[in-house]
Amino acid sequence: DGGITQSPKYLFRKEGQNVTLSCEQNLNHDAMYWYRQDPGQGLRLIYYSQIVNDFQKGDIAEGYSVSREKKESFPLTVTSAQKNPTAFYLCASSYRAEGDTQYFGPGTRLTVL
Amino acid sequence: AQTVTQSQPEMSVQEAETVTLSCTYDTSESDYYLFWYKQPPSRQMILVIRQEAYKQQNATENRFSVNFQKAAKSFSLKISDSQLGDAAMYFCAYRSSSYSGGGADGLTFGKGTHLIIQP
Repeated sequence: DGGITQSPKYLFRKEGQNVTLSCEQNLNHDAMYWYRQDPGQGLRLIYYSQIVNDFQKGDIAEGYSVSREKKESFPLTVTSAQKNPTAFYLCASSYRAEGDTQYFGPGTRLTVL
Repeated sequence: AQTVTQSQPEMSVQEAETVTLSCTYDTSESDYYLFWYKQPPSRQMILVIRQEAYKQQNATENRFSVNFQKAAKSFSLKISDSQLGDAAMYFCAYRSSSYSGGGADGLTFGKGTHLIIQP
C-alpha cells in the first residue's frame, strides 16, 4: 500500500525538551513538506525539501529543524526555541513536476505540558 | 506574497441539496495552481479538486466542480447532491508555478469553511 505515514499520532512534550516527528513516504515522491495547523487556521509551511540533502525554510521555520538523508524520510524536530509548539503537524509529499498535487499524511498532534 | 481568503467560516446545507463554498486569492502571478482540500474529523487532508490557471475550462470531479474566474481571482467549489460524508472543513489552497518564479515552495491555505450537512 503506497502512502505517507506519520508517527506518533499523539506526542506530549515537557517544556525545554526537543522532540522529533517522523514522516515516511513510499510514493517515490521527490518533494516533501511540513505544515503546522492551529485551531481555526489553515496550514502554514514550516520547511520543505525538493531533493535529498537539500531543504528550504518556509514561512514559520523558527524553532524547527529538519533533515533529508533519504528520499523516503523527512523528520521534523521541534526544538525548545519554538515558543508555542502545541499544534497539529502535517507532512506532505509530491512529485517535482510542475504544479504537482501534494498528498498528506494523517498528522501528529503535539501538546506541550 | 500570495494570500487566500475564505469568507465563510461555516456553511450549512440540507442533504441532497447543492452548496457553494467561496474562495478568493491575491497574486501578481499569471500562472499558478489552485486546490480544494477536505479535512474530515479524522484531520486527514484529502484532495477534492485542482485547477490549472492556464486552463479556461472549470475542473469537475463527480459531484464536485469549481467556478474559476481568473480575472476576479475567484475559485469557488460547488458540491452537488450533498451527502452526510461531505461534512468536513474545506480548505482552498494556492500554489505558485515555477514559470512565474515560484516552484515547489509549498501551498498557501485559506482559513477554511466548516461544512455542515443537515439530514
